[in-house]
Amino acid sequence: AQRVTQPEKLLSVFKGAPVELKCNYSYSGSPELFWYVQYSRQRLQLLLRHISRESIKGFTADLNKGETSFHLKKPFAQEEDSAMYYCALGEGGGYNKLIFGAGTRLAVHP
Amino acid sequence: DAMVIQNPRYQVTQFGKPVTLSCSQTLNHNVMYWYQQKSSQAPKLLFHYYDKDFNNEADTPDNFQSRRPNTSFCFLDIRSPGLGDAAMYLCATSRDSAQVNTEAFFGQGTRLTVV
Repeated sequence: AQRVTQPEKLLSVFKGAPVELKCNYSYSGSPELFWYVQYSRQRLQLLLRHISRESIKGFTADLNKGETSFHLKKPFAQEEDSAMYYCALGEGGGYNKLIFGAGTRLAVHP
Repeated sequence: DAMVIQNPRYQVTQFGKPVTLSCSQTLNHNVMYWYQQKSSQAPKLLFHYYDKDFNNEADTPDNFQSRRPNTSFCFLDIRSPGLGDAAMYLCATSRDSAQVNTEAFFGQGTRLTVV
């Protein structure tokens, strides 16, 4: 069955520390993976997608098909990175039938 | 410049009393989605519209229905809300691409409370 697992509900770090939010997936086809972010009192929005292979706000994520992982990383966390982060799996081309993980709350302390 | 607008932001309804949640978009996207997110859980897709074609997820209860009278609007109807239907309901849109999953744009959600 298709599934997205984010093992950490909360990740708490100090400003300037490296961050890694873990995401593992289970999918029988060729996956499309995304990271969505929700800042306080804002709507859920796309942070990055594996197919773009880009860095957004200093965050990167590499799809590792062997480990079925799509971990989100940033070398130096900032306080404004504090938010809820959701890893999501897209079920097929052209659609956004997204399967979400339960989310990880990132708290960056000064 | 809100692109996907959900009304109301908070909705309180009585057990068993039908309730309708609204979503509108200014993006002219052809696909619209409804997700349900219960406390501390992942958003879960209920159904989506591709233009006027309705696509229900296999495990979405019959209690949930949807209408899309035109491109801009989509409604979620809960025929007989139970206490277990209390959740945040998220509307999203996307522009269909034949090749890859395009970005989904979300509304701010409607938090439904059932009393």
